[in-house]
Amino acid sequence: TQLLEQSPQFLSIQEGENLTVYCNSSSVFSSLQWYRQEPGEGPVLLVTVVTGGEVKKLKRLTFQFGDARKDSSLHITAAQPGDTGLYLCAGALNNDMRFGAGTRLTVKP
Amino acid sequence: GAVVSQHPSRVICKSGTSVKIECRSLDFQATTMFWYRQFPKQSLMLMATSNEGSKATYEQGVEKDKFLINHASLTLSTLTVTSAHPEDSSFYICSASDRGVRKAFFGQGTRLTVV
Repeated sequence: TQLLEQSPQFLSIQEGENLTVYCNSSSVFSSLQWYRQEPGEGPVLLVTVVTGGEVKKLKRLTFQFGDARKDSSLHITAAQPGDTGLYLCAGALNNDMRFGAGTRLTVKP
Repeated sequence: GAVVSQHPSRVICKSGTSVKIECRSLDFQATTMFWYRQFPKQSLMLMATSNEGSKATYEQGVEKDKFLINHASLTLSTLTVTSAHPEDSSFYICSASDRGVRKAFFGQGTRLTVV
């Protein structure tokens, strides 16, 4: 069962543009993770957010956890071709972890 | 971050044979391990969740007799695809989490091709 709705599913932008990926649910999560996956490899953890309203920054990436711990967003500033990949959000719930469908980002030079 | 090693990274097997995939947590005790399957350009589909020392919990539609999961220790879980068929060809990924499942770390994935 997919508890997390992730949008958009596909995103193709030019280098230098900004973008936001959303991850929404009706469930409350104890924590939420964002991962990035490149073809043929396993997902790599980017960040974990735990507290409602929490904001974390990782260079040009800004992650926010909703106040109610039901949703999260990932904002990328000045996207670069190296940001291309599949971005996945995952929520931890009742000793389980569920993933969104993923956002496939392509940044064109 | 923590290190999870998955082996093999690629395997080709004949239809009807069985394949075992290993997932090891190298620097922490993985009380819970997850096994996923991923089709091309799609997200991860959870197959089963296993807790150390107990039977795995399979997702609806996943055949437990076909996808055998063993989690005998805090550092190792295995997925055995029994009597593999071409439709079982896929990318299989494991992830490991410590107690409480607040975050999970993934293996590198295994590309299984059944011919």
